Amino acid sequence: DADVTQTPRNRITKTGKRIMLECSQTKGHDRMYWYRQDPGLGLRLIYYSFDVKDINKGEISDGYSVSRQAQAKFSLSLESAIPNQTALYFCATSDGTGFGNQPQHFGDGTRLSIL
Amino acid sequence: GEDVEQSLFLSVREGDSSVINCTYTDSSSTYLYWYKQEPGAGLQLLTYIFSNMDMKQDQRLTVLLNKKDKHLSLRIADTQTGDSAIYFCAESPNYGQNFVFGPGTRLSVLP
Repeated sequence: DADVTQTPRNRITKTGKRIMLECSQTKGHDRMYWYRQDPGLGLRLIYYSFDVKDINKGEISDGYSVSRQAQAKFSLSLESAIPNQTALYFCATSDGTGFGNQPQHFGDGTRLSIL
Repeated sequence: GEDVEQSLFLSVREGDSSVINCTYTDSSSTYLYWYKQEPGAGLQLLTYIFSNMDMKQDQRLTVLLNKKDKHLSLRIADTQTGDSAIYFCAESPNYGQNFVFGPGTRLSVLP
């Protein structure tokens, strides 16, 4: 089983709809992240959470919200989807202990298309 | 702010060496990372180097770090078709909270 699982893997929806992307992990990591990937732009951070009670905005949080339901679960919501939110979305986790920022471990992504 | 730059494309012939280059801006980065993304998959951690090292070798992979020039490179020896992927460089600022990823270099391996 994958250590970081994202659901759904693919989603097509219409402008204005509310969408939730889910992420769960079995790595026991305290830190979780949501990124979006667009061609030629690399990964851009949307939100991150260092523990259940900690939620922080990333570089491009407008139009998105998150919920950290448990240490192992971190969901991303688009309250009213718009076409320029069409992208590949990744969840990642990392271990908050140790020196410096530990490697991030990624799910396989959710491909989201908004018509 | 932090910024990581990479060329977007690289083509090599099977059996040749590939060198993917990256420049970063934050001199306080503790670790520098290389990730590989295959089609339809997430990013897989390939290797990383601690900032007090100049070189790290792991089988076919060699990472070189020039801290003075803030330049990181990934060399893949004897490149195979299975190495075709997008390679991301990432820096991890010591004082900051998050990784900064480059735009990715798409490596194409020609037969």
